[in-house]
Amino acid sequence: AQRVTQPEKLLSVFKGAPVELKCNYSYSGSPELFWYVQYSRQRLQLLLRHISRESIKGFTADLNKGETSFHLKKPFAQEEDSAMYYCALVSNYQLIWGAGTKLIIKP
Amino acid sequence: SAVISQKPSRDICQRGTSLTIQCQVDSQVTMMFWYRQQPGQSLTLIATANQGSEATYESGFVIDKFPISRPNLTFSTLTVSNMSPEDSSIYLCSVDLQGSYEQYFGPGTRLTVT
Repeated sequence: AQRVTQPEKLLSVFKGAPVELKCNYSYSGSPELFWYVQYSRQRLQLLLRHISRESIKGFTADLNKGETSFHLKKPFAQEEDSAMYYCALVSNYQLIWGAGTKLIIKP
Repeated sequence: SAVISQKPSRDICQRGTSLTIQCQVDSQVTMMFWYRQQPGQSLTLIATANQGSEATYESGFVIDKFPISRPNLTFSTLTVSNMSPEDSSIYLCSVDLQGSYEQYFGPGTRLTVT
């Protein structure tokens, strides 16, 4: 069955430290994956998708088919990165969502 | 992207009553989705609402409890019927603008049932 796993409910790092938000997926076929972010009191918004291979707000995510992972990384965390992050997988024209990771950047 | 609005933004309702949530998009879209999100938790898809066809409900959600209308390509409503405190949640609509699987979200409707 298709599934998205975000093993960390909460991740707390200091400002300036590297950040890695983990996402593992289960999918038969070629996956299409997204990262969404929800800042406090804002709507859920798309951060990046794997096929674009862009860096958005300093974040990157690489699809690793061997490890079935799509981890989100940023080399130097900023306080404004504090938010809820969701990994999502396309399946049958819908998105399957991970449980989310709350990222807290400590000053 | 698209501008997506929802009404109401929040409401407090008594058990046994119904609430209709509206979702308006500033461009024509084929696929719209309705989600439920408990605060601080992930999203649960309620149904997919495509214009010109009946909504498709996910397991655990039924039309009698969550009737959906999709009268045109820019508008949809979700009704939460015969509400109980367990229906207290944030309800979100989203759209897939170009069939690209990227979804854009409304601001949500925070529902509290007393």
